[in-house]
Amino acid sequence: EAGVAQSPRYKIIEKRQSVAFWCNPISGHATLYWYQQILGQGPKLLIQFQNNGVVDDSQLPKDRFSAERLKGVDSTLKIQPAKLEDSAVYLCASSLGPGGDEQYFGPGTRLTVT
Amino acid sequence: GEDVEQSLFLSVREGDSSVINCTYTDSSSTYLYWYKQEPGAGLQLLTYIFSNMDMKQDQRLTVLLNKKDKHLSLRIADTQTGDSAIYFCAERPNQGGKLIFGQGTELSVKP
Repeated sequence: EAGVAQSPRYKIIEKRQSVAFWCNPISGHATLYWYQQILGQGPKLLIQFQNNGVVDDSQLPKDRFSAERLKGVDSTLKIQPAKLEDSAVYLCASSLGPGGDEQYFGPGTRLTVT
Repeated sequence: GEDVEQSLFLSVREGDSSVINCTYTDSSSTYLYWYKQEPGAGLQLLTYIFSNMDMKQDQRLTVLLNKKDKHLSLRIADTQTGDSAIYFCAERPNQGGKLIFGQGTELSVKP
């Protein structure tokens, strides 16, 4: 069974530029999560989708971050404009249902903002 | 509130047992998890325990849950150098699926 796929794996941008990350969850998983992991910390949830609807985006900085999951499968996370403090690993995870008993994570995208 | 605390480092010798501890604050948490993260990689789900259980064993891994003290531990028997990684404890506070992670414990296994 293929795992959660993410691209790109690494991205370096200058502050005030924009960037987008892509995630393809495990086939059949209705729930998709984006987490931000700052160096030396545990992941923090940014947004949770159930199919193509948003379940929780309470910790998403909506002035600069946006995410979508238009067809209920793939998802993109965008940052515009980026700030230095956005440097982190962005992890995508998926689970079968909204209860999220088993969340499986992708390899992450490491973003460096200079 | 939601908060998960872990000690930052643990060093053991190969073949010994490792015990990684975690405390959490939300008594309504339904599931508690252990994830492993190797350098440059995503998080690998190791095991999880439902809140009405005290213990769960899975091969070399034993999870102990003390709900009264809100304390979770992961014991790795016969620790190997390949077990060197960062281990994250996480709680799921409600039915919504969101996980609250600790800051991770870096396990170093010396030959």
